[in-house]
Amino acid sequence: QKEVEQNSGPLSVPEGAIASLNCTYSDRGSQSFFWYRQYSGKSPELIMSIYSNGDKEDGRFTAQLNKASQYVSLLIRDSQPSDSATYLCASRKGGYSTLTFGKGTMLLVSP
Amino acid sequence: DTAVSQTPKYLVTQMGNDKSIKCEQNLGHDTMYWYKQDSKKFLKIMFSYNNKELIINETVPNRFSPKSPDKAHLNLHINSLELGDSAVYFCASSPQMGRADTQYFGPGTRLTVL
Repeated sequence: QKEVEQNSGPLSVPEGAIASLNCTYSDRGSQSFFWYRQYSGKSPELIMSIYSNGDKEDGRFTAQLNKASQYVSLLIRDSQPSDSATYLCASRKGGYSTLTFGKGTMLLVSP
Repeated sequence: DTAVSQTPKYLVTQMGNDKSIKCEQNLGHDTMYWYKQDSKKFLKIMFSYNNKELIINETVPNRFSPKSPDKAHLNLHINSLELGDSAVYFCASSPQMGRADTQYFGPGTRLTVL
């Protein structure tokens, strides 16, 4: 049973546009949510984390969380070709739990 | 300086062999993890250790045996390798297993079983 769902994509956007990546989770006990970026052949790197309902902004990135709808999203403003990667959504419960990852959404930003 | 390192980067071996992957972190973190990423890019937790103690074992076959000689090292030994073990294995570490912990991933080990 999948706990974190993402559209695998690819999501194609032109340079300078806003990319919107979405994620839903099934476990209502999830408390923390993370977005990781993974370039092809590389390891995942954390770009955003969010714990409370609402928006969290960091530079060109905005994470949004809606616990009632069990929905997490990542907006990337002014998308650049260097943003082309797979974006992994992850959730985490409390205590000694680990991250549960979605399968990732591939983002392609064309110049 | 590499924060989380893994060796080897690539591992090609025959079915039935036994192999090990090593991981070291120089971040002073208490917690380390092993993940498996399959051909469909699905990243799944295998084990987590906190201060050398096994905390989580996510129903991984007992052919996989992690060992943590100290909190900076977490090695993965795999017995009797099978075709389905082919994947990229990532080691990761985090300061602790708290709610807000950030996990730092190693570069990965691509295992190919022939």
